[in-house]
Amino acid sequence: DVKVTQSSRYLVKRTGEKVFLECVQDMDHENMFWYRQDPGLGLRLIYFSYDVKMKEKGDIPEGYSVSREKKERFSLILESASTNQTSMYLCASTPLRTSGPLYYNEQFFGPGTRLTVL
Amino acid sequence: SQQGEEDPQALSIQEGENATMNCSYKTSINNLQWYRQNSGRGLVHLILIRSNEREKHSGRLRVTLDTSKKSSSLLITASRAADTASYFCATDLSGYSTLTFGKGTMLLVSP
Repeated sequence: DVKVTQSSRYLVKRTGEKVFLECVQDMDHENMFWYRQDPGLGLRLIYFSYDVKMKEKGDIPEGYSVSREKKERFSLILESASTNQTSMYLCASTPLRTSGPLYYNEQFFGPGTRLTVL
Repeated sequence: SQQGEEDPQALSIQEGENATMNCSYKTSINNLQWYRQNSGRGLVHLILIRSNEREKHSGRLRVTLDTSKKSSSLLITASRAADTASYFCATDLSGYSTLTFGKGTMLLVSP
């Protein structure tokens, strides 16, 4: 069974702290994503990675960085947490799976980390 | 960036009734996907429909796609209390791996 895990379900940090959110997938997927979800704004893509050590900015990368040293692990880093980064953070992965001319890019999500920055 | 927009924002029905939610988008797509999110949890993929498909079924789910109107609908037949969740459409614009998600429809199914 496909599985994406995130290091914490709930996290409380103080303004200015460095925060690490970890995501691990056991499906050998090439692509991994970090989103944040806020009421009324839906899911917004922060960063994604299509291979080890590769990363691409999403729609809202400011204030965040990422690390992908191993294929199964994708980390989101808040260098100096601020209150406006209080949010639900969702990690996802997807394979590069093709069947002839067709490709499948459905995403598999972790359970989410609800981060509160005080 | 372009987003799908779900309609309605919230929907409340009784068990056994059908639930229909819609998604509109702005530019050409490769495929459109629907996801479900139970309260406070991650999203779960429900169904994918390609740009050259018009209708797709999966169990009690029926998805339609009208590329001329840039819209899709998700129909859940014979709803159950367990269908209570938020439903999101996501569009594949690039033909690669990134998706653009809408803001979701909150469905409440009362026993």
